[in-house]
Amino acid sequence: GNSVTQMEGPVTLSEEAFLTINCTYTATGYPSLFWYVQYPGEGLQLLLKATKADDKGSNKGFEATYRKETTSFHLEKGSVQVSDSAVYFCALSDNNQGGKLIFGQGTELSVKP
Amino acid sequence: GAVVSQHPSRVICKSGTSVKIECRSLDFQATTMFWYRQFPKKSLMLMATSNEGSKATYEQGVEKDKFLINHASLTLSTLTVTSAHPEDSSFYICSARDPVGPNTEAFFGQGTRLTVV
Repeated sequence: GNSVTQMEGPVTLSEEAFLTINCTYTATGYPSLFWYVQYPGEGLQLLLKATKADDKGSNKGFEATYRKETTSFHLEKGSVQVSDSAVYFCALSDNNQGGKLIFGQGTELSVKP
Repeated sequence: GAVVSQHPSRVICKSGTSVKIECRSLDFQATTMFWYRQFPKKSLMLMATSNEGSKATYEQGVEKDKFLINHASLTLSTLTVTSAHPEDSSFYICSARDPVGPNTEAFFGQGTRLTVV
């Protein structure tokens, strides 16, 4: 079945450091890929997405490229801020499964000033 | 963006009682809604897909008689935890996509913290 695997957290970085959160997936068909973010005390919200191979999703300085050959969708940001502290979830949506999202285990990011 | 509202945000109930959680799409119609369960420090586990006007589709391992889902209108889905036990204590989250489709953004409710005592 479909699955998503993320790197274990928590990840602790200093402000302005480079961030990478690894995400790999297993899927039948051609899934769409997403990164969702959950800030403390809030619900999940979409950060970025990519719907086909080689697409790059970007938002708020974050980027992720859909790599079909490595079945990966790693999240990157060149310079993190304290306000980026949150839990980040990688997810996939298989076009053949009615739009349901399958999530990775989440990676907690803590950015220190 | 679209808004999904969940109610209540927190509920405490006694073992053996039932609890109903509501999920509403406030500014769009949701023919399909999704119910998730989130354990502490863990991912969101999809429990079921709620379909307006028809039976919900449950994921493997989820007891349909324990977690009753009703999607009676295009803007409301309910999850009822029946005969609740302490192990049912968890964070329950609903979501819906607007517009419908596997590539579109999913909007999430703020979640319901259920504690069974």
